[in-house]
Amino acid sequence: DTGVSQNPRHKITKRGQNVTFRCDPISEHNRLYWYRQTLGQGPEFLTYFQNEAQLEKSRLLSDRFSAERPKGSFSTLEIQRTEQGDSAMYLCASSLTQEGAYEQYFGPGTRLTVT
Amino acid sequence: QKEVEQDPGPLSVPEGAIVSLNCTYSNSAFQYFMWYRQYSRKGPELLMYTYSSGNKEDGRFTAQVDKSSKYISLFIRDSQPSDSATYLCAMSAHGNFNKFYFGSGTKLNVKP
Repeated sequence: DTGVSQNPRHKITKRGQNVTFRCDPISEHNRLYWYRQTLGQGPEFLTYFQNEAQLEKSRLLSDRFSAERPKGSFSTLEIQRTEQGDSAMYLCASSLTQEGAYEQYFGPGTRLTVT
Repeated sequence: QKEVEQDPGPLSVPEGAIVSLNCTYSNSAFQYFMWYRQYSRKGPELLMYTYSSGNKEDGRFTAQVDKSSKYISLFIRDSQPSDSATYLCAMSAHGNFNKFYFGSGTKLNVKP
């Protein structure tokens, strides 16, 4: 499978615990994005990387959230001290840098439930 | 006011009908327009993308952009039960094509 992959697919955690999600983008894509989607809403932009550089962060990304892409390949999104409001689907997407090729391809998402 | 507005539906049509899905937006800087399909509990799947104004056709799907009205549409011809899903529009602005703004999605149900 050459698409975007995400792990785990589901995560249930207790409030206050830390969680980490992983995203593996399409291999030739150098841009990687994280989104959050809640029920009945479209995805909301959180942050994006070009190679290993984090170029933009949304104000939605509070201090409890941190994302990394250490070698410009896979990325991790960590949420510290989870809150019930963090329950959502976390989506990863990737794209090329190539001019005119801005479309983003999404992974299946990680569904987080905070109890 | 959200930057991208989309009627949540649900929209229920019989098999074979022509479906029209729409989004409006407020940011005149939006230049790049996408339509995604999302099945329940899955990630969004890219259907079509267009740059600036005009029409684009791909099989049973046609995307239209009217920048003067800040209005985009997706038409599905000969709709099938397998088209039942939530359809999301997304767009990005000149100068920052990487930051996508999504509508909330329209849920479509095609009845056999």
